Amino acid sequence: EAAVTQSPRSKVAVTGGKVTLSCHQTNNHDYMYWYRQDTGHGLRLIHYSYVADSTEKGDIPDGYKASRPSQENFSLILELASLSQTAVYFCASSGQGGGAETLYFGSGTRLTVL
Amino acid sequence: SQLAEENLWALSVHEGESVTVNCSYKTSITALQWYRQKSGEGPAQLILIRSNEREKRNGRLRATLDTSSQSSSLSITATRCEDTAVYFCATGGYKVVFGSGTRLLVSP
Repeated sequence: EAAVTQSPRSKVAVTGGKVTLSCHQTNNHDYMYWYRQDTGHGLRLIHYSYVADSTEKGDIPDGYKASRPSQENFSLILELASLSQTAVYFCASSGQGGGAETLYFGSGTRLTVL
Repeated sequence: SQLAEENLWALSVHEGESVTVNCSYKTSITALQWYRQKSGEGPAQLILIRSNEREKRNGRLRATLDTSSQSSSLSITATRCEDTAVYFCATGGYKVVFGSGTRLLVSP
């Protein structure tokens, strides 16, 4: 069974603070993704990575950084958290990139910025 | 605008009934995927249908793909309360893009 683990499950942050969301996968997958989910917008891609030490911008990268220190780990960093970044964040992995590859998702991190 | 989009925000059926969720997409594709997301969980893939396939089944689920009209449908037969979830279609080139989802409520 493919496994993607996110931590923390929920977090409350203050405006202007730094937030780091972590993701670990045991699927031996090359591709990892960070999505954001807001009510009414489905899932929107923030950053993704297809190899360690390299990240790529997705559709909504502004205000976010990503880090892929190893094949298994992928972090999402909010250097200066803002109210508008309150959302649920999902990490996913896939063996290869592209629309024909199955994505395996974690359970999500609910971030509230106050 | 979305690369792929479901055509209804929400649907409601009673247990045992059949239901269909529709999706349209905007570009040529290699495959289209259907995901289900239950409350408090991450999405999980239900069916992946490739561009050279017209229909694919997975138990009570049946997906169709019409590349000429750039549309797909996901049908669920004999619905159960546990089918209550948000259903997404997803596709893309080098990255997977999701629609906004159709919220399905199955009541007893």
